[in-house]
Amino acid sequence: ETGVTQSPTHLIKTRGQQVTLRCSSQSGHNTVSWYQQALGQGPQFIFQYYREEENGRGNFPPRFSGLQFPNYSSELNVNALELDDSALYLCASSLGGNTIYFGEGSWLTVV
Amino acid sequence: DQQVKQNSPSLSVQEGRISILNCDYTNSMFDYFLWYKKYPAEGPTFLISISSIKDKNEDGRFTVFLNKSAKHLSLHIVPSQPGDSAVYFCAASGETSYDKVIFGPGTSLSVIP
Repeated sequence: ETGVTQSPTHLIKTRGQQVTLRCSSQSGHNTVSWYQQALGQGPQFIFQYYREEENGRGNFPPRFSGLQFPNYSSELNVNALELDDSALYLCASSLGGNTIYFGEGSWLTVV
Repeated sequence: DQQVKQNSPSLSVQEGRISILNCDYTNSMFDYFLWYKKYPAEGPTFLISISSIKDKNEDGRFTVFLNKSAKHLSLHIVPSQPGDSAVYFCAASGETSYDKVIFGPGTSLSVIP
């Protein structure tokens, strides 16, 4: 167990709605990354936060946004949900090293 | 543009034999390489890593080999066990500690008892 916890584990949303996913990083880890994993694919990098600042972003539109809080927990927000947003959303934390540790993920289904 | 490639979507191996999972990368700036294992309905679990200054790293039954000139790495599992059946992701990152980690599409390993 990595100590990274995510909530909710499963949720269903309607196209056009907004969703917020939450992540508590492993104790002491100051860096949080979010990934999207579609069926049959590897995790795709969305963005990374270090000490409450975004310090890297993948090829995702602006309707994907995030926050990191002073306790290093994090949120991923997705606005105007599309059917293709259905995926497993993974949060990973690290202490500034290259090795990242994942939570169990949040399964999002958009209908 | 897929920077980390795993060209075998699946692999079947007999229990007790060696499993060899391959990975190729295109970005010469990658400096650190990792392997993750994922069971269904769980998040990926870190398995083993290697820095570009090494060509081999071993941890129990798992060994990762890196060939920088060929931009190729492989994960060897010896001996393979049924519990090793999972999807294995190869991943890579740059030289700074805060570089993003890029993942390949994964190889599904089945170890047959």
